[in-house]
Amino acid sequence: DTAVSQTPKYLVTQMGNDKSIKCEQNLGHDTMYWYKQDSKKFLKIMFSYNNKELIINETVPNRFSPKSPDKAHLNLHINSLELGDSAVYFCASSQPGQGHYEQYFGPGTRLTVT
Amino acid sequence: GDSVTQMEGPVTLSEEAFLTINCTYTATGYPSLFWYVQYPGEGLQLLLKATKADDKGSNKGFEATYRKETTSFHLEKGSVQVSDSAVYFCALKGYGGSQGNLIFGKGTKLSVKP
Repeated sequence: DTAVSQTPKYLVTQMGNDKSIKCEQNLGHDTMYWYKQDSKKFLKIMFSYNNKELIINETVPNRFSPKSPDKAHLNLHINSLELGDSAVYFCASSQPGQGHYEQYFGPGTRLTVT
Repeated sequence: GDSVTQMEGPVTLSEEAFLTINCTYTATGYPSLFWYVQYPGEGLQLLLKATKADDKGSNKGFEATYRKETTSFHLEKGSVQVSDSAVYFCALKGYGGSQGNLIFGKGTKLSVKP
C-alpha cells in the first residue's frame, strides 16, 4: 500500500490556467505538507497544515492555496499559472505524537508550464 | 533564521570508495538533524536522524554524528555501491513549534561508478 500518493505524476499546462494536484496519505497522520523542488533540486516548504493550523511560507504567492477536505487529504490549487511555477511538487505527512521526526513523502508531481 | 549548508555536488566515486558529504547548520536552540535520500524519479526517504548532541544516526551502512560544537552532521559511508547513487539532503527541524517543517540543504548528487 502506498503511504503518501499524489496525482497526477506529470502535469503539462499553459500559462494562465488553473490546476490542482491531489495528495492522500493513509498513515493516519495529523500533519501534511507541500514542498516545491526547483530545477536545481532545491527543496522549500510551501505549507504545513493540520486540522487546527495552517502555516504558510511567506514567500509563497497567494495564487497557491491548500485545500483539505479531510485529515487524509491536502490538495494544492494553483491559479493563473506562470512559467516560474514549473517544478516538482512533493506532498508529505508526519505525526505530531512522534515528534514529527520522520516525514513521509509522496512520489512528486512534475508540473511544466508552457 | 535557521539554515543548512551542505557541500556542492555532484560527487562521483568508484564502487567501494569512502563517502563523506559535509553538512553544517545554523539554528537557535536544539534542532533535530536528518539525512534524506532521493533516488532517481522518486520522493524523499528518511535515511537517518539524530535528535540531540553526540547522537549517531545510522542506516544501510551510512552514519552521521550530531556535533554541536562544530554545528555539523556529516554523512559517511565506508564503501559505497552503485545502488547508492542518488541525491542526499541534509535537513533540520527546529526545536519546539507546533509542526515539523523541515529546512533542507541544497542537496548533493552522488554518482557511483562500477
